[in-house]
Amino acid sequence: DAGVIQSPRHEVTEMGQEVTLRCKPISGHDYLFWYRQTMMRGLELLIYFNNNVPIDDSGMPEDRFSAKMPNASFSTLKIQPSEPRDSAVYFCASKRAGAGGELFFGEGSRLTVL
Amino acid sequence: GQQLNQSPQSMFIQEGEDVSMNCTSSSIFNTWLWYKQDPGEGPVLLIALYKAGELTSNGRLTAQFGITRKDSFLNISASIPSDVGIYFCAGGGSNYKLTFGKGTLLTVNP
Repeated sequence: DAGVIQSPRHEVTEMGQEVTLRCKPISGHDYLFWYRQTMMRGLELLIYFNNNVPIDDSGMPEDRFSAKMPNASFSTLKIQPSEPRDSAVYFCASKRAGAGGELFFGEGSRLTVL
Repeated sequence: GQQLNQSPQSMFIQEGEDVSMNCTSSSIFNTWLWYKQDPGEGPVLLIALYKAGELTSNGRLTAQFGITRKDSFLNISASIPSDVGIYFCAGGGSNYKLTFGKGTLLTVNP
């Protein structure tokens, strides 16, 4: 079975540009999570969805960040406008209902904002 | 918010040695999990614990859910070079949100 698929794996952009990160969760998983990983702050939960509905976006740092899940097999995390402090690795993870904290992570999207 | 204290931050050991790392929290968690992250990859689940006092093994890995529900440890026995990586603990509440520790970087010298 395919795991969580993220794209792009790497993105380098200039400050002020729009960035869109994409995620395809594992088929049949009801929950989708977006995490950000930095050396200073570790893994931080940004937002999570259940059955395509955003449940908790309290971790989204600013209005510049937005996330959507138009269907069960696709989600996007958008940053507009991007800033250098947004540089991080962004992970998407999914899980089945009833699976506790057993998340399956994608390989991540490494974002560098110059 | 909730914070986890994971220690040690890093470990340098010889192949064949046993390893122990732990996480503590000021808050109670319903679930404790341990993940491993290899360079350039996402974290991968190693062990999940769901009951206070639970002791679970997965091959050479053993983890325990502390009786107070505020701590957990992970032991790796007879380490091998492929054990190298970053190990994260995570505590889960009733709302499916996980709080991750800052990680333990493990280096194994052959």
